[in-house]
Parts: sequence; C-alpha cells; structure tokens
Amino acid sequence: QSVLTQPPSASGTPGQRVTISCSGSSSNIGSYTVNWYQQLPGTAPKLLIYSDNQRPSGVPDRFSGSRSGTSASLAISGLQSEDETDYYCAAWDDSLNGPVFGGGTKLTVL
Amino acid sequence: QVQLQESGPGLVKPSGTLSLTCAVSGASISSNNWWIWIRQAPGKGLEWVGEIYHSGTTNYNPSVKSRVTISVDKSRNQFSLTLTSVTAADTAVYFCARVLSGSRFDPWGQGTLVTVSS
Repeated sequence: QSVLTQPPSASGTPGQRVTISCSGSSSNIGSYTVNWYQQLPGTAPKLLIYSDNQRPSGVPDRFSGSRSGTSASLAISGLQSEDETDYYCAAWDDSLNGPVFGGGTKLTVL
Repeated sequence: QVQLQESGPGLVKPSGTLSLTCAVSGASISSNNWWIWIRQAPGKGLEWVGEIYHSGTTNYNPSVKSRVTISVDKSRNQFSLTLTSVTAADTAVYFCARVLSGSRFDPWGQGTLVTVSS
C-alpha cells in the first residue's frame, strides 16, 4: 500500500491528452512539491517533472505537471506510442521523514 | 555528466547480509547533496530504503531501520548499502541515486537485482 495514490492504469489514443492523478495528504503533497518519474521497462526511473511543474532539460513540453491542495497531476498531450510505460509520483513526507512514492500508473497507448 | 553504478552480489541467502556499492563518477560525493538507495520489488512500486550525506549523516526508512546501514567512502567516491537478516521480501532491484532535493532524484544508477533465496 503506497502512501501516495495513483490509478494503476491509464490509456489514450495517439494525439490525445491524458492525465494521471496522484493523491496524498497534508504531510506530503499538501506541504511539499511533487516530482514525477518515467520508467521504461527494465530501466531506472527518469526524472520527468520536478517541483510540481518544471521540466528537466530534454523533456518534451508535451509533459506538464500541476499540484493543488493534497493532489497532483501529470498531463501528457499529443500522446505518442513511446509514452506507453510506467509513471510514478513522489513527494517528501513529514510523517515518514523521508520520500514517498505513488504505486505507479501504467499508461497504454491504444 | 554524473553517473552512478551499482555493484554487488545478485544472490543472497535468507538470513544473510545484502551488501551493495554505488560508485559515483562525474561529481564528488562530498558535494552538497544527499545520496540515496531506493528499491523496487519485482512488479511493484518504488520504496525508499535510506540516504546519506557525505558527513556520514544518515536517514533510514523505519521499515528497515533496524537492519540497514548506509556508509560513504570519500576516498573512492562511493557509498554503500548493507541490509542484514534478509528475507524473500527484500528481493528487489536496488537503485542508487543523487538527491537534488526532497524527492527529486537525478541521476539514477541502472539498478541491480538482488534475489534472496537458498
């Protein structure tokens, strides 16, 4: 049972816009910024969005993030086949005194 | 660019000790960053194990705190993970990463699978 809650799956067709939610509490998302990771099969997670809505160099602007209250969202516009993989949200948690993750969302491009 | 590389045995016996090392290149482990271990059980999500600052200050996940030690070797620019009394539940891919802030980790090592089995 992950501290942050993500839908286990999401899907969309090429070109579509999809969003992935991440729900937490006042001890994590309600107090700290959220980071998102993309994990391709058999590889390490890659930082996709940091500080709620910032993209590291090299990440396409099709990816965007937002945070409000105790929830955050990752949006992917202009969906492409290579976007089909797993996505994780993360935030610092005061109760744990450490970082916590969502359970991950598997995105399928139909 | 900064790169991290995990190394260590891929198979550990139950009740034994898991030991992994993360070699850092392209950056000094004495820089103003924490360094972290994160694991992922097969088919599961990510779990924070613990982290260390170059001063030796550590922060561990309470779920493993009684069994884990993370140390730093400045002379070799690397940090290590030791987990004692392992069980099958500790079978996972173990990743090391640099902590930029809080839950912002970049880059990550490629990960190494550790299987606990007799």
